[in-house]
This record gives sequence, C-alpha cells and structure tokens, in this order.
Amino acid sequence: DGGITQSPKYLFRKEGQNVTLSCEQNLNHDAMYWYRQDPGQGLRLIYYSQIVNDFQKGDIAEGYSVSREKKESFPLTVTSAQKNPTAFYLCASSGLAGVANTGELFFGEGSRLTVL
Amino acid sequence: AQSVTQLDSQVPVFEEAPVELRCNYSSSVSVYLFWYVQYPNQGLQLLLKYLSGSTLVKGINGFEAEFNKSQTSFHLRKPSVHISDTAEYFCAVSSQASGGGADGLTFGKGTHLIIQP
Repeated sequence: DGGITQSPKYLFRKEGQNVTLSCEQNLNHDAMYWYRQDPGQGLRLIYYSQIVNDFQKGDIAEGYSVSREKKESFPLTVTSAQKNPTAFYLCASSGLAGVANTGELFFGEGSRLTVL
Repeated sequence: AQSVTQLDSQVPVFEEAPVELRCNYSSSVSVYLFWYVQYPNQGLQLLLKYLSGSTLVKGINGFEAEFNKSQTSFHLRKPSVHISDTAEYFCAVSSQASGGGADGLTFGKGTHLIIQP
C-alpha cells in the first residue's frame, strides 16, 4: 500500500545526543514536510522540501537539520542544540507541485521522542 | 501570512448529540481550508477540504463544514456523534496565491472532542 512510513515510533535519548528520525514515502510525492506537535500547541513547521537536494526552514528550524538526497526520503536530525526536543514529530507529503499545490498533506504515523 | 484560531480547546458532548467545532482564520488572500482528525499517538487523517465551489463541504465519518467568507469561518459539524469520534480535530489553511500551498499548511491548536456515554 502507498503511504508514509516513519521510524522509530518511540525513541528515548539522553540529553546532548543527536537523533535522526526517518521518513520514507512511496506516493511519488514531490514535497515533504516535518512538523512538531506539543500538547495544546497544534502543529508547527520545522522544515520542508519541494524538490530533491533543496529544502527550506519552517517556523521553528533552530536545533534541527534535514537532507533530501532522494525523492522518497526526508530524514530529520534533532541536534543537541535543540533546547526542548521532547515532542511528537510528524512527517507529511504533498503530491502537487507549483501553482496546483493546495497544501493538502498526507501524514505518517509520527515518532515520539523523549529526552531523558 | 495566515493564522487559524480554534475557539475551543475541549468540547464535551453526549453520545448521539450534535456537535460543532469552531474555526476562524485570518488571511490577506483567498485560502484553501481543511479539517483533520488525529486519534491518540497517530498521524493526522483528512476529514474534508474546501477548495472552491459550494460552501457546504461533506467529509468522511458523517462530518460536514461550511465555509463563510464574510465571517472568515469554517466550522465543523456532525448531527449525531459516536463514542468513536473521540479525537483531536485540527483546522488548517493554505494560501491560494500561486504555489501558496507549497510551504505547507498553517494549523490551529486543535480541539479535543470528548464523547460522553
């Protein structure tokens, strides 16, 4: 089945360690996104990529890094510079490009990161 | 830039009663509007969307929403809720400007719908 796969589902790390969250899609979508979700705060955009080898910062990019070497993959690294990394992270994709892009997103199941 | 306000953080309602979840948006340009549902520890699933045309939009699971441009609102309704509707609901917006959806959606903070037996 086509969809977005995020791994791991749950991740525990010690403070000061970098962690990488995986996001893979087989929908042949051009654009991919990372959102952070905290209780009562909705979803906030971290990074997005509209094409391979290109990506843009979202509203809360500090302390995070991404890469887009393949169309299907958009991994997110939470670095030690991120002051409060404990959160639920959601990866999404969008199939339309350019002027036809309405913004409709398809989501993965999420990754819950807990920093001890 | 757009913004979305979901007026209620929590809405308790009895099973089989009607419900309305409120959403207002702010934008200097025309917008596309979405409602998503999230069950615990899962991703978001699209309920319905308004792109153009009829202002009354029907979605999955018996939900519908009405776009009101003059009041900049997109309220979600269901005539009779079921216990399985207990979830978090998010309203979202993107700009209709050329390629405006390419930088993702702007989300409200969510409304937790609690169905009481």
